[in-house]
Amino acid sequence: DAGITQSPRHKVTETGTPVTLRCHQTENHRYMYWYRQDPGHGLRLIHYSYGVKDTDKGEVSDGYSVSRSKTEDFLLTLESATSSQTSVYFCAISESGDRGAEAFFGQGTRLTVV
Amino acid sequence: GNSVTQMEGPVTLSEEAFLTINCTYTATGYPSLFWYVQYPGEGLQLLLKATKADDKGSNKGFEATYRKETTSFHLEKGSVQVSDSAVYFCALPSGGSYIPTFGRGTSLIVHP
Repeated sequence: DAGITQSPRHKVTETGTPVTLRCHQTENHRYMYWYRQDPGHGLRLIHYSYGVKDTDKGEVSDGYSVSRSKTEDFLLTLESATSSQTSVYFCAISESGDRGAEAFFGQGTRLTVV
Repeated sequence: GNSVTQMEGPVTLSEEAFLTINCTYTATGYPSLFWYVQYPGEGLQLLLKATKADDKGSNKGFEATYRKETTSFHLEKGSVQVSDSAVYFCALPSGGSYIPTFGRGTSLIVHP
């Protein structure tokens, strides 16, 4: 299994508080992604990174920011959590920008905003 | 941009039944196509892939053939098991990019 660790695995937070989710990889893969999974929507891309300090927005980036200061860590921050951000968040990594490259996923973080 | 459309679930089958989960794609050119599987409480993992037209990907008894004529990549298995119960996602790289883009997922429930 690819070495991807997401933390925390579960979190309950209050509306309006900041939350940071962490993705840590031991594979030295260049590309990292944050997705959210919601019923009826499948997986939607929030942000992605193509190298240290190189990040860009996905289709549902509003209310989220990311940082990647080291190859192995990709942080997702909810600046001020809202109930609409209750979801399961997945980090994924891939080794190359080859269009045939496989993505490897973490176990997910279940976030509940109350 | 590139996208995939999957049949809605859940798909409910008895053990040893034949499985088909439909996936059609819209894409510029001929990108690689993927099927991922998500078991309960876990992240997604690659099930199989095909990198060019007419290729067949296969793994764990599952198969899918890349058909450009019908822009399809349907997932099939001849005899499902209870352990195949999971959510299956069709995927491809987004248009002009490498970023994995997923369908909405199809839940499969297999009864003994």
